[in-house]
Amino acid sequence: DSGVTQTPKHLITATGQRVTLRCSPRSGDLSVYWYQQSLDQGLQFLIQYYNGEERAKGNILERFSAQQFPDLHSELNLSSLELGDSALYFCASSRGTFDYEQYFGPGTRLTVT
Amino acid sequence: AQRVTQPEKLLSVFKGAPVELKCNYSYSGSPELFWYVQYSRQRLQLLLRHISRESIKGFTADLNKGETSFHLKKPFAQEEDSAMYYCALRESSASKIIFGSGTRLSIRP
Repeated sequence: DSGVTQTPKHLITATGQRVTLRCSPRSGDLSVYWYQQSLDQGLQFLIQYYNGEERAKGNILERFSAQQFPDLHSELNLSSLELGDSALYFCASSRGTFDYEQYFGPGTRLTVT
Repeated sequence: AQRVTQPEKLLSVFKGAPVELKCNYSYSGSPELFWYVQYSRQRLQLLLRHISRESIKGFTADLNKGETSFHLKKPFAQEEDSAMYYCALRESSASKIIFGSGTRLSIRP
């Protein structure tokens, strides 16, 4: 599958813990975007990386951080987890930084208990 | 601040009936508007964008700057149209896309 991949598919953890979500973009895509989708809200843009550098920032909490590595995969780190962080976390990728079409991964479902 | 509003969380129509999914936005400049769709057990994907002014799977959407709306329409609904639909906005020359909260479209046989 040459599409966007995300691991793990599901993650269950306790409050106060730290987790790392991983995303591999489509082959050739340089931009990676992270989104959070919780039950009562739509897709909330968190952050974008382009070729290793932060490009745009949305409503990302200070407890969350992300990075994009030289091989272009990206990781989203969530720390001091709270119950309200339970959500679907999507990664998307695109060729450039201004592409209108983003290709989405299947998501990681995070449950904080 | 930019904002995309989809007033209906759920829209249920009979097969063959017309469909209109509402989307309103707030943005002072010239935005780019999109519709994304997520079918059951599939990934979120782009359906159409206002600039292309094309019909995809029978769906069209017209940008109305006066009413700041970008409603998605289809004259005759089909069962395979059942999905979650997201309206989205992007500022010109920006990379960030703002999504609405989504509308679940259910087509009844």
